[in-house]
Amino acid sequence: DIVMTQSPGSLAVSLGERATISCKSSRSVSSGPNNVNYLAWYQQKPGQPPKLLFYWASTRESGVPDRFSGGGSGTDFTLTISSLQAEDVAVYYCQQYYDIPSTFGPGTKVDI
Amino acid sequence: EVQLVESGGGLVQPGGSLRLSCAASGFAFNTYWMHWVRQAPGKGLVSVSYIKEDGSRTGYADSVKGRFTISRDIAKNTLYLQVNSLRAEDTAVYYCARGLDSTGYHAFDMWGRGTMVTVSS
Repeated sequence: DIVMTQSPGSLAVSLGERATISCKSSRSVSSGPNNVNYLAWYQQKPGQPPKLLFYWASTRESGVPDRFSGGGSGTDFTLTISSLQAEDVAVYYCQQYYDIPSTFGPGTKVDI
Repeated sequence: EVQLVESGGGLVQPGGSLRLSCAASGFAFNTYWMHWVRQAPGKGLVSVSYIKEDGSRTGYADSVKGRFTISRDIAKNTLYLQVNSLRAEDTAVYYCARGLDSTGYHAFDMWGRGTMVTVSS
């Protein structure tokens, strides 16, 4: 199984400041001549199901604010919130779907 | 309205069984791969099982292989998860989720609100 790790486990960021979350996979989740990355990011608020933010590492899901960005390739990926808003308080998970069943990272809790 | 609604959870003794259901509406259920993902209290997300659009391919996490069975009824637009030989460590919220595309290797773009399974004597 591909093991996903995330860092930090939690972080506190001031409103309007940048938050950056790292996600690493135990082996590459990239494939093909175009280096497609089988990596997604989700946001989960308390008492709610996860919400898809990005897939293919950097493709933003419809309706996701552009203060969120996803990047990286191979085994190293990042999710960045450029200017943290109060509504961004949540746990963020990365997921690889290069292998199925897919596997998720342990989550990063973002607080203010 | 496009939605997934899970049901069938509850309190069950160790070794017991349940059948979880996920009713899909508002989209062409028979054209999407579907998934079950669980989340133990205060813990992270774990993919449990998946099934191809036509039911011809299924897969399971090692932790549930041989005990859980995924299926779908296209006529009823419903996904199922039969969970047998339950253990305390199966206690979790069980979510159904829709695959983003038809390849099988995809993110999950829609989730239900989940159904809670508690395994305890």
